[in-house]
Amino acid sequence: DQQVKQNSPSLSVQEGRISILNCDYTNSMFDYFLWYKKYPAEGPTFLISISSIKDKNEDGRFTVFLNKSAKHLSLHIVPSQPGDSAVYFCAASPRFERPATGTASKLTFGTGTRLQVTL
Amino acid sequence: DTEVTQTPKHLVMGMTNKKSLKCEQHMGHRAMYWYKQKAKKPPELMFVYSYEKLSINESVPSRFSPECPNSSLLNLHLHALQPEDSALYLCASSQGPGQYEQYFGPGTRLTVT
Repeated sequence: DQQVKQNSPSLSVQEGRISILNCDYTNSMFDYFLWYKKYPAEGPTFLISISSIKDKNEDGRFTVFLNKSAKHLSLHIVPSQPGDSAVYFCAASPRFERPATGTASKLTFGTGTRLQVTL
Repeated sequence: DTEVTQTPKHLVMGMTNKKSLKCEQHMGHRAMYWYKQKAKKPPELMFVYSYEKLSINESVPSRFSPECPNSSLLNLHLHALQPEDSALYLCASSQGPGQYEQYFGPGTRLTVT
């Protein structure tokens, strides 16, 4: 039961163009969403996040859009650079509750999209 | 500073060995996590420690035994592993109440022979 899905396993984009990575979720309890980037043989690096009370969050070249009614989020990278080539995971968390989980957030990760930015 | 360190980077062990993975963070985070990641798959949560107490065990086999000696350290003790346990083991930490972002270490690549 994959609650967070990234339907495109791979994406190729030219340098300077926009990269759009998509993510769909099924669990309506998810309340907070994150994007991570992962290079081979390294741990995931946190990129950007968004709360369900917003529909857009921007940080430099990275913008995340959230459509709650469609249970869909996307990550836009503009302009794309060769160093952006990596695997991108979206992740989702239910609303933070205490004391059930104390201080811990519980993330469910998507299956990942491999982005290749070509020259 | 969002650094989580893990040692060793690589580990090869036989099925009868006992070994430990170590994770350390000095960001004052109060929650720490162990994940397992197989090739071309997303990270899978194994254990969560909150204020040095085990708060989540995702039905992990007992051959994996976590330990949190203090708020900065997290260990994963390994015993009698199977070849299918070969994977990248990731440690992460998060700040505390209301903070969802988890920060990951570089991982330990484990091979069980």
